[in-house]
Amino acid sequence: GESVGLHLPTLSVQEGDNSIINCAYSNSASDYFIWYKQESGKGPQFIIDIRSNMDKRQGQRVTVLLNKTVKHLSLQIAATQPGDSAVYFCAENRNYGQNFVFGPGTRLSVLP
Amino acid sequence: SAVISQKPSRDICQRGTSLTIQCQVDSQVTMMFWYRQQPGQSLTLIATANQGSEATYESGFVIDKFPISRPNLTFSTLTVSNMSPEDSSIYLCSVLKGGYEQYFGPGTRLTVT
Repeated sequence: GESVGLHLPTLSVQEGDNSIINCAYSNSASDYFIWYKQESGKGPQFIIDIRSNMDKRQGQRVTVLLNKTVKHLSLQIAATQPGDSAVYFCAENRNYGQNFVFGPGTRLSVLP
Repeated sequence: SAVISQKPSRDICQRGTSLTIQCQVDSQVTMMFWYRQQPGQSLTLIATANQGSEATYESGFVIDKFPISRPNLTFSTLTVSNMSPEDSSIYLCSVLKGGYEQYFGPGTRLTVT
């Protein structure tokens, strides 16, 4: 198996500000990407996905950007709220549906 | 989406014993996965469990240590055998819906003493 990261990087933002969480993925052959939110004591929750034939996708208050040239993925959260506090993971996928590989995660802390 | 439940939600076990974790989905799915998440770390795929065939294990995980059953399209079990403190983790099952979207259960928090 693959596992990465011993200590989660932390991003602290003021309530109401925008958040940007970054992720570098490992395989240029990856063709599907998902962002997950994991709150304490819960399983990861699907937020938004993007396929490799797109470079941007928007959801409700969230936007995912994909830069295949530098193998970089970002999650933008608009008007960050206290309920957004969680650990965020990116996951890359090869072969459309199998073998998801998760990034190390980023802890988002929303300050009042 | 999919509604996934796991039992138990948490357990404290003695070393050398085994624990079987159950995963129940509210709809039929072809592919189910088992992950391990050690404290403060990311998720690591243990194995893929397909109904009607043997589970496929990732590098570093073996069937003798983590036997998996998949008796039907809505249920799977993962057993953590001959446990040691290093097995203390959160164990998560997940399913694929709509081809590519993966949904997770709430996890089972295991502590081995």
